[in-house]
Amino acid sequence: EDQVTQSPEALRLQEGESSSLNCSYTVSGLRGLFWYRQDPGKGPEFLFTLYSAGEEKEKERLKATLTKKESFLHITAPKPEDSATYLCAVQANQAGTALIFGKGTTLSVSS
Amino acid sequence: GAVVSQHPSRVICKSGTSVKIECRSLDFQATTMFWYRQFPKQSLMLMATSNEGSKATYEQGVEKDKFLINHASLTLSTLTVTSAHPEDSSFYICSARPPGQVRNTEAFFGQGTRLTVV
Repeated sequence: EDQVTQSPEALRLQEGESSSLNCSYTVSGLRGLFWYRQDPGKGPEFLFTLYSAGEEKEKERLKATLTKKESFLHITAPKPEDSATYLCAVQANQAGTALIFGKGTTLSVSS
Repeated sequence: GAVVSQHPSRVICKSGTSVKIECRSLDFQATTMFWYRQFPKQSLMLMATSNEGSKATYEQGVEKDKFLINHASLTLSTLTVTSAHPEDSSFYICSARPPGQVRNTEAFFGQGTRLTVV
């Protein structure tokens, strides 16, 4: 069964304190791994897509990496505005084009 | 980037009534749209895949007679929650992907609809 597990469930950081979020996945044929940001009461906002192990992508203070079993979202020197829930999702061959989501990591950054 | 608009953003309805949620792709034609449901602190759970001009494909455990999906045009899909009950209260989100993508690219999401059934 295709599955996505994110950890930790919640993360509290001080402003400027770098850290990483983990996304472990089990999927029958990975077509793509996605990271989204979701603010309360809003739909997910696209951040990155990774397609193959070893791939990395960066956007401002965020950097996403991918291995054959997991992905990391590294947050460098976070700011309070980075506070949100970060969702990881995979697209598997058998699932067609729908995404399978993890439960997310809720990040809180205090100043 | 591509925009997906969802309406309404919040709705409160009485138990037993029906509620319609609209999902529009504003600057591209979407032959396929997806409807998700999200409970507090839970994953987005795929409910159904909406296909333009044909019947929707429902995930296991989702009642197709309760959650009616209509994808009448390439830019509009609707989800109707019929005879709503308090347990249907949730956050409903639609998603669409621009056509013609060889590799999977980002799926754009609507703003979500918070449904509260009282």
